[in-house]
Amino acid sequence: GAVVSQHPSRVICKSGTSVKIECRSLDFQATTMFWYRQFPKQSLMLMATSNEGSKATYEQGVEKDKFLINHASLTLSTLTVTSAHPEDSSFYICSAKGQGDTGELFFGEGSRLTVL
Amino acid sequence: GQNIDQPTEMTATEGAIVQINCTYQTSGFNGLFWYQQHAGEAPTFLSYNVLDGLEEKGRFSSFLSRSKGYSYLLLKELQMKDSASYLCAPMDSNYQLIWGAGTKLIIKP
Repeated sequence: GAVVSQHPSRVICKSGTSVKIECRSLDFQATTMFWYRQFPKQSLMLMATSNEGSKATYEQGVEKDKFLINHASLTLSTLTVTSAHPEDSSFYICSAKGQGDTGELFFGEGSRLTVL
Repeated sequence: GQNIDQPTEMTATEGAIVQINCTYQTSGFNGLFWYQQHAGEAPTFLSYNVLDGLEEKGRFSSFLSRSKGYSYLLLKELQMKDSASYLCAPMDSNYQLIWGAGTKLIIKP
């Protein structure tokens, strides 16, 4: 099946620094990618929808200047958490929409961000 | 509004059968997904239903009734590794998945 790779899987950073997370579709072209955030024992929260070559669409309440999303190619989307704070510590997951009619999503492995 | 309702937690015995129910309300409907998520990991795809009826895939089966806004995931011959959260996610008219909070399934020996 389709593979989505997310990197890094774990990152620890100091407060005030920026962190970039990459999401790659390895064997298919993903015109649409999604970024989620998940707190422990809670549901996935959609942050933004990223379409190749255009600006991301952010969900209500998500700061677009803080969570910068770039989808410059059909196989790569990046999420940059700018000026990270401890409250940004979370599990960030990307997914890519597969080709075909089902709309099945293929998920990356997730990235656990810890901001000290 | 859009709403997903599934039990928060269920417990079952190894080797048994368990059914996880999901009711939903969405703006339009383009199918329903079930995903499995182990703690600390990303979700993995289990099934997709767009037509009414039962889809069987090995030990897992998924059922959909569009008129009732209802789906269930049936897990047979439960194994300890099936302990996970199971997410019901219908797709709305914009082809966006609407995520419920998931059902935490605990398997006991």
